[in-house]
Amino acid sequence: KAGVTQTPRYLIKTRGQQVTLSCSPISGHRSVSWYQQTPGQGLQFLFEYFSETQRNKGNFPGRFSGRQFSNSRSEMNVSTLELGDSALYLCASSFQGGHSYEQYFGPGTRLTVT
Amino acid sequence: QKEVEQNSGPLSVPEGAIASLNCTYSDRGSQSFFWYRQYSGKSPELIMSIYSNGDKEDGRFTAQLNKASQYVSLLIRDSQPSDSATYLCAVNGNAGNMLTFGGGTRLMVKP
Repeated sequence: KAGVTQTPRYLIKTRGQQVTLSCSPISGHRSVSWYQQTPGQGLQFLFEYFSETQRNKGNFPGRFSGRQFSNSRSEMNVSTLELGDSALYLCASSFQGGHSYEQYFGPGTRLTVT
Repeated sequence: QKEVEQNSGPLSVPEGAIASLNCTYSDRGSQSFFWYRQYSGKSPELIMSIYSNGDKEDGRFTAQLNKASQYVSLLIRDSQPSDSATYLCAVNGNAGNMLTFGGGTRLMVKP
C-alpha cells in the first residue's frame, strides 16, 4: 500500500500571502489529521477531518483552515502568513476502524515564510 | 491543559544495551498511547501502539502502560546505532484522532 503523500514538499512564501497544502491518505483511511511541528513548540495538533467533516480542532487561529474531499484527500490553508507560521506541516491518516487509532504520517511540507 | 511530558535527553547508551524511554501524561481519560521515532529531517514513524495496561512486545521494542500512574515507557533491547533518533510519545483522548505529543527524547546509541 502506498503511504501518505503530501504536496508540495517545500514552499517559500512571503508574509501576508496565503498557502494551500495537500494530503492524500493511505487508501482506505478516512480520517486525516494535520499537525504543525516547530523547534520551539514541538508537534501540535491543528485539526482532524473524518468523512468530509471537521471532527476536532486544536488551538490555532482562524487563519488556519482545512477541508476534506469525498475521496478522503485533504487540504489545509493558511491565510495572511506570518513569520511564525514557518514550520513543518504534517498530515497523518488513520483507518478509524475497530480499536485501531494508529496514525501514519506523510513526509510533511516544509513551509518557510520570509 | 492536557500535557505529555518526556525527558528531552539526550539519552546516551552503548550499542547492545537496553534503552529506556519514559513518558507521563496528565489526562486520565486518555485511551490510546503511541511511540513514534523521528530521524532528523524526517517525519515521525509509528513504532508501537498500546491501549491497555501491561506490556506489549514487538521485536526489540516493548511498550509498557500504567494508567493508574499515568505512565508509558518504551524499552529498546539490543540498541543499534541506527536507533539513534528522537522518540516521541503521543497520547489520544477519547474524542477522535487528536494526538497530544511530548517534546521527545533524543536517543544516541554509541558504537
